[in-house]
Amino acid sequence: DIVMTQTPLSLPVTLGQPASISCRSSQSLVHSDGNTYLSWLQQRPGQPPRLLIYKISERISGVPDRFSGSGAGTDFTLKISRVEAEDAGVYYCMQAATSHSLTFGGGTKVEIE
Amino acid sequence: QVQLVESGGGLVKPGGSLRLSCAASGFTFSDYFMGWIRQAPGKGLEWLSYMSSSGTTIYYADSVKGRFTISWDNAKNSLFLQMHSPRAEDTAVYYCARGDCSRSDCSDSLLGAFDLWGQGTMVTVSS
Repeated sequence: DIVMTQTPLSLPVTLGQPASISCRSSQSLVHSDGNTYLSWLQQRPGQPPRLLIYKISERISGVPDRFSGSGAGTDFTLKISRVEAEDAGVYYCMQAATSHSLTFGGGTKVEIE
Repeated sequence: QVQLVESGGGLVKPGGSLRLSCAASGFTFSDYFMGWIRQAPGKGLEWLSYMSSSGTTIYYADSVKGRFTISWDNAKNSLFLQMHSPRAEDTAVYYCARGDCSRSDCSDSLLGAFDLWGQGTMVTVSS
């Protein structure tokens, strides 16, 4: 199975400052169809996960443009340009490069200072 | 309203059985892959299984293969997860989620992600 490793585990951020989360996969996430199925989800306290970004950098409708995704191959990054209070929560990356076995990263907790 | 609502969670004894349900509304249920993901208390997300409405595609994580069974009822717009002989480590919140479009004309618009999640149902395995 592909192992997804997120860093850092915890990310204290001051309001209005940028934040960056890294996600690395144990092997390339390029699917046989040529797409890279790497997505990012946000989970606020007490809430189910919410999809923010798919295929590395495509934002879901309604997601603020302060969220952006980048990367290729095995290294990916989620950036928040200016953190707002509502951005507190845990962020997960997920790979779907191997259709028969999907995996999530361990999560990064964003704490607003 | 586009939503997923899970039910069926509760307390189950080790070695017992439990059936979780996920009712879909607001979209054409049979057009999508649907899956189950769980989250143990204080832990991260773990993908368990997903399938297509036709039943031609069904995958399980190794951790539940042979113990859990995913199934589908188009007439009821519902997805199910049958838990056989659960163990203490299966204690978690269980989420159903909508995956990619499964129609043959969707191949150019795949997300490779779960874009709609239910609120989850808690399962506690304990004697």
